[in-house]
Amino acid sequence: EVQLLESGGGLVQPGGSLRLSCAASGFTFSSYAMSWVRQAPGKGLEWVSAISGSGGSTYYADSVKGRFTISRDNSKNTLYLQMNSLRAEDTAVYYCAKTIVVVPAAIGYFDLWGRGTLVTVSS
Amino acid sequence: EIVLTQSPGTLSLSPGERATLSCRASQSVSSSYLAWYQQKPGQAPRLLIYGASSRATGIPDRFSGSGSGTDFTLTISRLEPEDFAVYYCQQYGSSPPRGTFGQGTKVEIK
Repeated sequence: EVQLLESGGGLVQPGGSLRLSCAASGFTFSSYAMSWVRQAPGKGLEWVSAISGSGGSTYYADSVKGRFTISRDNSKNTLYLQMNSLRAEDTAVYYCAKTIVVVPAAIGYFDLWGRGTLVTVSS
Repeated sequence: EIVLTQSPGTLSLSPGERATLSCRASQSVSSSYLAWYQQKPGQAPRLLIYGASSRATGIPDRFSGSGSGTDFTLTISRLEPEDFAVYYCQQYGSSPPRGTFGQGTKVEIK
């Protein structure tokens, strides 16, 4: 079955760190770019970060640049998001998404989503 | 950077009616690189349309997308009970790399 399963969310204090994981199955993971998209409670969707299939290229939203790091382990079919210096405004459900790239070095569209993991930043 | 504005914010319709959702871009979206997603409460988004008018795998043909340049439309020809949800548009393929979403349109039961 083709699926994505996120884990690693939880409650963290402002200024703290958290590492999210996304386990992929049912498709050739290394052949696809992957992204993280988040959704604050009661709000819309916000693209956070993306990584190429090889892991050689990474992209970030301005709101997380310098604080978040996306990476992948193709031998484990797993995507990661290391989140440092967390702020209250980072509170959201974080989704990983399989990304179809149509233009090199640009973000594509998201054809498969995980169920999400909730990150709460609060003291 | 392209900004997407969706209208209306909320659409109140009855099952069987036609829904027309708009997504307007602040500048031209190259090659119609625009996608639409459906999200139901407590669920992840689901891809409906990509390339402005191509239906994703398994999407019923009552969903259709159209438009080019700065104006795009998602049409649901006859609303089924399971279609009441929030719909988002997203532009892709632009530089600098951004996965910009619109703010969403909620389709609710009248």
